[in-house]
Amino acid sequence: AQSVTQLGSHVSVSEGALVLLRCNYSSSVPPYLFWYVQYPNQGLQLLLKYTSAATLVKGINGFEAEFKKSETSFHLTKPSAHMSDAAEYFCAVSDMRGGSNYKLTFGKGTLLTVNP
Amino acid sequence: DADVTQTPRNRITKTGKRIMLECSQTKGHDRMYWYRQDPGLGLRLIYYSFDVKDINKGEISDGYSVSRQAQAKFSLSLESAIPNQTALYFCATRAAGSEAFFGQGTRLTVV
Repeated sequence: AQSVTQLGSHVSVSEGALVLLRCNYSSSVPPYLFWYVQYPNQGLQLLLKYTSAATLVKGINGFEAEFKKSETSFHLTKPSAHMSDAAEYFCAVSDMRGGSNYKLTFGKGTLLTVNP
Repeated sequence: DADVTQTPRNRITKTGKRIMLECSQTKGHDRMYWYRQDPGLGLRLIYYSFDVKDINKGEISDGYSVSRQAQAKFSLSLESAIPNQTALYFCATRAAGSEAFFGQGTRLTVV
């Protein structure tokens, strides 16, 4: 069964500091991996996705993530935090196979706070 | 118009009442999902569907049912609502190998 673990339910950084949000996945087959962001009172918006091409994936708003198969990780980073990055971030995993194995499983989320 | 539309956006209902949340999409995707979001618990999968003939239970399907009336429509029903079903509900659609697209959510309160 596939699963996602996001380490740290709440991360606080200063404006201009590095953002690192951790995600580890479990999947018995090669996965698709996603990071979504949710701003207050809004739906979910895709930040970036890994679908078996390059292991370093660049997304919107300066975010990037690296797929590391040996560590079963897909951590999200941004070199310099901005106040507008304050939101909740979700990591998700899906089976890369087709057919009926197309569940999309989310982690519990990490709330990012950016301090001035 | 939004690609994924959920109705209603907000609903307050009484314990024991039947309620239906509706979702429609214009993306032409075959896969559709219903999730509920609770603080600290992330998004938990209720049901998912590959097409009108394929319905699958997610991790928290008890107390819920779904209907895939057409490729573009996927509704979620609470047959007898209870207070711990108070949550934010999201519908999502997805094509093979792609990311999911989400509706704006339905905030349901059961009193």
